[in-house]
Amino acid sequence: DTGVSQDPRHKITKRGQNVTFRCDPISEHNRLYWYRQTLGQGPEFLTYFQNEAQLEKSRLLSDRFSAERPKGSFSTLEIQRTEQGDSAMYLCASSWASRGSTEAFFGQGTRLTVV
Amino acid sequence: DAKTTQPTSMDCAEGRAANLPCNHSTISGNEYVYWYRQIHSQGPQYIIHGLKNNETNEMASLIITEDRKSSTLILPHATLRDTAVYYCIVRVRNRDDKIIFGKGTRLHILP
Repeated sequence: DTGVSQDPRHKITKRGQNVTFRCDPISEHNRLYWYRQTLGQGPEFLTYFQNEAQLEKSRLLSDRFSAERPKGSFSTLEIQRTEQGDSAMYLCASSWASRGSTEAFFGQGTRLTVV
Repeated sequence: DAKTTQPTSMDCAEGRAANLPCNHSTISGNEYVYWYRQIHSQGPQYIIHGLKNNETNEMASLIITEDRKSSTLILPHATLRDTAVYYCIVRVRNRDDKIIFGKGTRLHILP
């Protein structure tokens, strides 16, 4: 296992288009997180899953954003009707939720540019 | 989670020890201090964490003051590859929810 992988690494889209990103967590990890990061800022929490259940969503996750983790393995993050303000790095992380849990491991991110 | 305060940026000469401070004066008794770093165009990477004792691993050392209101991350022999943004975070361990990042400290290692 090479860690958390995200696809694509880069995405350029026109305003108004829909985009979908994929995250494959570390295989034994049951927690999966999505973050967004804009230039000069730290990552901002969007949402997280334990197995297939979405346990928390940030206020940043507007109704244009939807995340799924249908079988408790990989996850997708979809943005509908993209806006220029959606341009950011989208980061995925995973961890094993238990007492004495491991720390979160992050992927390389998907950089979205909306033109 | 308690908030932390870090300098915006720091410089360190290559080969010297880099000492990154963090203030967390409102830390609670069950909150740990965590450090992550983010190298340009990569995701954050876990470095180390501690509760009240000093900790050391292959990457760094963490020194926490006795009152736990501040801590210092030490990179003993900084290299150019240590140039990154370093985030100090306090959180309850075993509460496996979100990590709240601040703006961190941008560390420049100078050749």
